[in-house]
Amino acid sequence: DGGITQSPKYLFRKEGQNVTLSCEQNLNHDAMYWYRQDPGQGLRLIYYSQIVNDFQKGDIAEGYSVSREKKESFPLTVTSAQKNPTAFYLCASRGSSGKTNEKLFFGSGTQLSVL
Amino acid sequence: QKEVEQNSGPLSVPEGAIASLNCTYSDRGSQSFFWYRQYSGKSPELIMFIYSNGDKEDGRFTAQLNKASQYVSLLIRDSQPSDSATYLCAVTPPGSSNTGKLIFGQGTTLQVKP
Repeated sequence: DGGITQSPKYLFRKEGQNVTLSCEQNLNHDAMYWYRQDPGQGLRLIYYSQIVNDFQKGDIAEGYSVSREKKESFPLTVTSAQKNPTAFYLCASRGSSGKTNEKLFFGSGTQLSVL
Repeated sequence: QKEVEQNSGPLSVPEGAIASLNCTYSDRGSQSFFWYRQYSGKSPELIMFIYSNGDKEDGRFTAQLNKASQYVSLLIRDSQPSDSATYLCAVTPPGSSNTGKLIFGQGTTLQVKP
């Protein structure tokens, strides 16, 4: 079945540690996105990539980094510079039909907590 | 002012009633409008999208868009307990139709009581 796989489902970070969240899709989508969701809040865009080897900052990129070496994969690293990393992280992808209503497909999310 | 605003609720309606969820947006040039449903601890799923003024119906759901008032709403008819979830309004800001960027509201929690 086609879809987006995020791992791990739960992740714990120690002080000063970098952690990487995995996101893999087999939908053959060009565009991929990382969103952060805090309790009772909507989603905020961290980074997005429209093509391999290229990505752009979203609204809250500070303290995060990404790479897009393969079309299928868009890992997110939460660095030690991100002082408040506890949140639910969602990866999404989108087809390239050019339609303005092209929908986002979401992964099941990773809950990151600080020890 | 937040770019996309929703009343966080909770909005409580009895089973079988109509639930009305509202969303306002600040950028008049916004292009496409989406409603996502999110169950607790799960990822959002698309319910409806709309990009022209007026109403769009899909089963028990109706999306309404009024660009002059910068207002979009979602009506759920014959509400069921399984509709209890958080509903997120999302907007495509101007110039972002190619990038797929969306701006989300904080969501409205709907509770449908049997």
